[in-house]
Amino acid sequence: DSGVTQTPKHLITATGQRVTLRCSPRSGDLSVYWYQQSLDQGLQFLIQYYNGEERAKGNILERFSAQQFPDLHSELNLSSLELGDSALYFCASSPRTTQETQYFGPGTRLLVL
Amino acid sequence: GQSLEQPSEVTAVEGAIVQINCTYQTSGFYGLSWYQQHDGGAPTFLSYNALDGLEETGRFSSFLSRSDSYGYLLLQELQMKDSASYFCAVRDRGAGANNLFFGTGTRLTVIP
Repeated sequence: DSGVTQTPKHLITATGQRVTLRCSPRSGDLSVYWYQQSLDQGLQFLIQYYNGEERAKGNILERFSAQQFPDLHSELNLSSLELGDSALYFCASSPRTTQETQYFGPGTRLLVL
Repeated sequence: GQSLEQPSEVTAVEGAIVQINCTYQTSGFYGLSWYQQHDGGAPTFLSYNALDGLEETGRFSSFLSRSDSYGYLLLQELQMKDSASYFCAVRDRGAGANNLFFGTGTRLTVIP
């Protein structure tokens, strides 16, 4: 158990819909990262927040957005969903001083039908 | 941009030693990490190398050569539970200092 929590564990929805994925980082971690992992693919970095502010952006689609709240939990919003958005979405957090070590949550498996 | 190359699959015998290689190209290299991911599970951190040389953590070791843009993960005394995917990842200055760019992973199968 990494200490990072993600909800929901599974999500099934239809094309065109909007969903919100939630992540709580480990206690004391200020950085939150979001990743997308498609079937048999590596992890694609989407976005990073540090203490409420966006710090780095990866290959995140315009239909996707994220935010980090004052209590440091983060939400990833996916809108106008397409079949290709079906994937595992991981959240990770890292300690204050060591960014190279990231602790991953259990992931949210999204299925778009 | 960044690119990482690692073998897609490796098979090894229980009790043996296996080496998983990773070559990388980045615009600004900070270090090389290794993560393990079991089927259906989350990636877990194994090791990080920022400097040349070998880092040992129990049965796992990781090596980095910055001049060769190359690293490897060495797994000794293989156990069945080591069957998993192993990802190398570079921390790259180019796309945000704390961005980890992951390879596509090496699926290790340990056989009896």
